[in-house]
Amino acid sequence: GAGVSQSPSNKVTEKGKDVELRCDPISGHTALYWYRQSLGQGLEFLIYFQGNSAPDKSGLPSDRFSAERTGGSVSTLTIQRTQQEDSAVYLCASSPTDMNTEAFFGQGTRLTVV
Amino acid sequence: GESVGLHLPTLSVQEGDNSIINCAYSNSASDYFIWYKQESGKGPQFIIDIRSNMDKRQGQRVTVLLNKTVKHLSLQIAATQPGDSAVYFCAENLPNDYKLSFGAGTTVTVRA
Repeated sequence: GAGVSQSPSNKVTEKGKDVELRCDPISGHTALYWYRQSLGQGLEFLIYFQGNSAPDKSGLPSDRFSAERTGGSVSTLTIQRTQQEDSAVYLCASSPTDMNTEAFFGQGTRLTVV
Repeated sequence: GESVGLHLPTLSVQEGDNSIINCAYSNSASDYFIWYKQESGKGPQFIIDIRSNMDKRQGQRVTVLLNKTVKHLSLQIAATQPGDSAVYFCAENLPNDYKLSFGAGTTVTVRA
C-alpha cells in the first residue's frame, strides 16, 4: 500500500507484559513520528526519527517506552511492563522532510491493558 | 454552525449549512498550521495547511483563515455533508522544528 501501515490494529495485553507496536512508513519518507492519543484527547508527541540522526525522545513518558527505526524505514515502539494508563491509540506518521510539511498518519494501534 | 470562543469540543450542524471550527494556537512564533480530520477508528487525515505569510487559503469546500494578531485559526466547511462528521484537529509547527503540536479537537456532528 501507499500509506503508513501500522500493526497490529488492536492489542489487548495483561498489565505487566511487554508489547511491540510496528510502523511501516511511506517509502522514501525520511521523518517518522510516534504520537499517543488517549480516549477523547488530542495527540501527544512521543518520539521522532529523521534519517540517521539521533532520535528525539523528549516525549516518551517514562523509561518503559522505547523505539527503534531500522534501516531508516520500519519502526518499532516497545512498551515494557505495561500499565493500565498506557491504554491508548498509538499513531505513527511519516513525512518526506522534517519541517513545515504535512505528516501522513497510519490508522493507529489501539492498545488496551487489562 | 460555528464553534465560538477559543474552542468548543463539539459542534452540531445541519446538513447543507456551512461549518466554522475555531482554534486558538499557543505560540506566536508558529509559522505553519495544519487542519486534520479524524474519523472514528482511523488516523488523522490532512485537510489543508497554511503558512504564516498567508491569511487565507482555500481548498475543495474548505477554507482556512489565519489571524496572527490574536493567534486564531479557523476552518470553514461549505455545504456540510454527513461524511464531514469527524473530529477536527488544528496543529501548529514552530520554525525549524519538526514536532506538530495538536489542539484538543472539535467533534463535528452533521444532522440530516
